[in-house]
Amino acid sequence: AQTVTQSQPEMSVQEAETVTLSCTYDTSESDYYLFWYKQPPSRQMILVIRQEAYKQQNATENRFSVNFQKAAKSFSLKISDSQLGDAAMYFCAYRSWGLYSGGGADGLTFGKGTHLIIQP
Amino acid sequence: DTAVSQTPKYLVTQMGNDKSIKCEQNLGHDTMYWYKQDSKKFLKIMFSYNNKELIINETVPNRFSPKSPDKAHLNLHINSLELGDSAVYFCASSPGLRRPTQYFGPGTRLTVL
Repeated sequence: AQTVTQSQPEMSVQEAETVTLSCTYDTSESDYYLFWYKQPPSRQMILVIRQEAYKQQNATENRFSVNFQKAAKSFSLKISDSQLGDAAMYFCAYRSWGLYSGGGADGLTFGKGTHLIIQP
Repeated sequence: DTAVSQTPKYLVTQMGNDKSIKCEQNLGHDTMYWYKQDSKKFLKIMFSYNNKELIINETVPNRFSPKSPDKAHLNLHINSLELGDSAVYFCASSPGLRRPTQYFGPGTRLTVL
């Protein structure tokens, strides 16, 4: 079974600075997907970024980028120019390439989350 | 336009009762899921359905019974509620077949007294 580890229960960063959230995972699969989701106090789960394991290029979405190190099984999230609205729980998640139903129905395996605080 | 909706958003009930949570998605997705988020914010998959067929049932007590009347709906019925069932329950959906991004509903906070 896959496991996802987020070793930082809480991180704090000054507004406008850069912060990196760590995530490592354990799998024997060669193809899979990785995600970062954000959960603000509203509790809505919001997709931040997605990475396919077969892609060597790191995914980016505006101020959010990842450092994907497949051999090291590491998937960190960098947030540049932090804003007050970035304050939230951040969850790293793993999904198999597709064990079930031709690749359609695999669930996400989540880490325990990192609580990100933005200092004004 | 709400993509994935859940009702109710809050549910407070007594131990031993039976309750249901409804989920609907208007994204045209093939696959729907239920997740449980415990008091420590840990999220765990409970069930997944693909085209109304149960695919994943992750060691969930059989007091929990999902029902998918059609592709757009996945309801969760819980019998004989226990204190430990208190949690936030999230419904999610994904297009399926190598399109893996899951879109979550707003969650239902269940409190069992």
